Amino acid sequence: SQQGEEDPQALSIQEGENATMNCSYKTSINNLQWYRQNSGRGLVHLILIRSNEREKHSGRLRVTLDTSKKSSSLLITASRAADTASYFCATDDRNNDMRFGAGTRLTVKP
Amino acid sequence: GAGVSQTPSNKVTEKGKYVELRCDPISGHTALYWYRQSLGQGPEFLIYFQGTGAADDSGLPNDRFFAVRPEGSVSTLKIQRTERGDSAVYLCASRLMQGDMMDSPLHFGNGTRLTVT
Repeated sequence: SQQGEEDPQALSIQEGENATMNCSYKTSINNLQWYRQNSGRGLVHLILIRSNEREKHSGRLRVTLDTSKKSSSLLITASRAADTASYFCATDDRNNDMRFGAGTRLTVKP
Repeated sequence: GAGVSQTPSNKVTEKGKYVELRCDPISGHTALYWYRQSLGQGPEFLIYFQGTGAADDSGLPNDRFFAVRPEGSVSTLKIQRTERGDSAVYLCASRLMQGDMMDSPLHFGNGTRLTVT
């Protein structure tokens, strides 16, 4: 079963713009992670935020976590055409289950 | 190897046949996860192993699906009496669990694309 939901399902922007994707989840978590997927194959880990953290940065990525609202957001700044991919959030719960949402398909137009 | 390896990369089988999908995790990774992904969807959790034992198999859709990890390393996902609805990409991932801190990322293989005709 899926854990969370990403919003929006699809996002199309111009190169240089910022992209924001949101994730909502249902259970208590140890951490929340964001992954990227190209071409429907293996996912690549981007960033992890622990349940006691509120914001984290990594390069052009900024992640926030609001455990009271059970939601997270991923911001990609100054987007590039190479950022075109599907992005998924995954929750790591108390049982160490890792469950993914349905993803946001991001298209960055050059 | 350097990463998670899944074989075969593609598998075409006839309805009703039995298939095995193999996953070689990163050496030393104690946890191994299996997911199924259909086109346009997120990875659907199937089962995860801590060492040799299945810690959670609640995602297996029915008793035609079974997975093993006998030596705590390589894992095999087995599907009996395949159905057309089983067609999907099957993803395997592993991660290192250290002590009580389970905040480690998953490392994914490239998946096995299963097509049931």
